[in-house]
Amino acid sequence: DQQVKQNSPSLSVQEGRISILNCDYTNSMFDYFLWYKKYPAEGPTFLISISSIKDKNEDGRFTVFLNKSAKHLSLHIVPSQPGDSAVYFCAAKSGGYQKVTFGTGTKLQVIP
Amino acid sequence: DTGVSQDPRHKITKRGQNVTFRCDPISEHNRLYWYRQTLGQGPEFLTYFQNEAQLEKSRLLSDRFSAERPKGSFSTLEIQRTEQGDSAMYLCASSSLGGPQHFGDGTRLSIL
Repeated sequence: DQQVKQNSPSLSVQEGRISILNCDYTNSMFDYFLWYKKYPAEGPTFLISISSIKDKNEDGRFTVFLNKSAKHLSLHIVPSQPGDSAVYFCAAKSGGYQKVTFGTGTKLQVIP
Repeated sequence: DTGVSQDPRHKITKRGQNVTFRCDPISEHNRLYWYRQTLGQGPEFLTYFQNEAQLEKSRLLSDRFSAERPKGSFSTLEIQRTEQGDSAMYLCASSSLGGPQHFGDGTRLSIL
């Protein structure tokens, strides 16, 4: 079963506008969430994370929001830049386990 | 380049052959992970090492798969008697205690 779900396979946004990528999870034991960015022929690159004790974490143009009651998180990119075009993976882990569970990814295209 | 290094980048082999991949983690990281990624999916966790000890294994890691990290530095992942379904990108990641996992660019395995 897919415990981390990214229901939008793709998203197109104009340069300078906000990109919002969404993620839902089903496992209530998840307590740490991450976003990774992946370019073709490269491994995933860590972007930003959030612990379940917070509802928001910000790093430059990237902000992650967590709604625990809805088991939903989102990544906001403002302003979006053409170099942000990539596949974005939402991921989660629980407790003392090191296993990270990934979603299927959302391909973001930022149009100049 | 002090990132995670994986070798080879691409491996083509015939069904039934054995293959071995190598991962060199970031030097100060004592934690090492293997993942597998197939087309259209996110990375799937295979196994985790802390130093030389293999502490977590996924049920995806069948008896044909074995991973080692003999001296707590580099790691190898061996697949015996390869099958068509083993075709995938094999990703290695490393982390420090409490830090995010940093990925290499992967080894793409193609089974003829």
